[in-house]
Amino acid sequence: NAGVTQTPKFQVLKTGQSMTLQCAQDMNHEYMSWYRQDPGMGLRLIHYSVGAGITDQGEVPNGYNVSRSTTEDFPLRLLSAAPSQTSVYFCAIGTSGYNEQFFGPGTRLTVL
Amino acid sequence: SQQGEEDPQALSIQEGENATMNCSYKTSINNLQWYRQNSGRGLVHLILIRSNEREKHSGRLRVTLDTSKKSSSLLITASRAADTASYFCATDHSGGSNYKLTFGKGTLLTVNP
Repeated sequence: NAGVTQTPKFQVLKTGQSMTLQCAQDMNHEYMSWYRQDPGMGLRLIHYSVGAGITDQGEVPNGYNVSRSTTEDFPLRLLSAAPSQTSVYFCAIGTSGYNEQFFGPGTRLTVL
Repeated sequence: SQQGEEDPQALSIQEGENATMNCSYKTSINNLQWYRQNSGRGLVHLILIRSNEREKHSGRLRVTLDTSKKSSSLLITASRAADTASYFCATDHSGGSNYKLTFGKGTLLTVNP
């Protein structure tokens, strides 16, 4: 039981490149979300999903796309990376009736 | 905008001492949670307090909530070097999804051996 896995752990992109950050869970939780964490800051919600086929925007959605075709996976896509997207990205999962969220280990992204 | 603000931003204490961190928030909440983040790692849930609760304990952790002041405090008693980490409060808003958490900027706690 791995919980929440994120790949890759580290990534360096050039401005304008695209990439997908992967998040997978084996806990069958319906809720999945993506946060970014910048130095000295807390986490800010990018996008979230309350189930397969359902996604919605969080606080800072611009520049990011998501989709949720299965319960297990919730990829985050950067279509045209910008230096402002340099950050650490965390995926989290949760389930109804239980407010605790479980976080993945994070992906550290640098955009040059 | 971020809902919670932790205070202080950084706290350095000796092993065995108690550590108190505070969190203030802006709008009415359903629940308030505290998370810990070790350097370079993901967040780990510590404790949750509901809006109708005033105090909660879990091991060496004690959380209080004052909804009239829109504030919470986290007390770690008899601190250990292993408690060194950043601590974040997170809230979910009244009338919103309890899945959508808003985090504060965190308190960096250093416990010196």
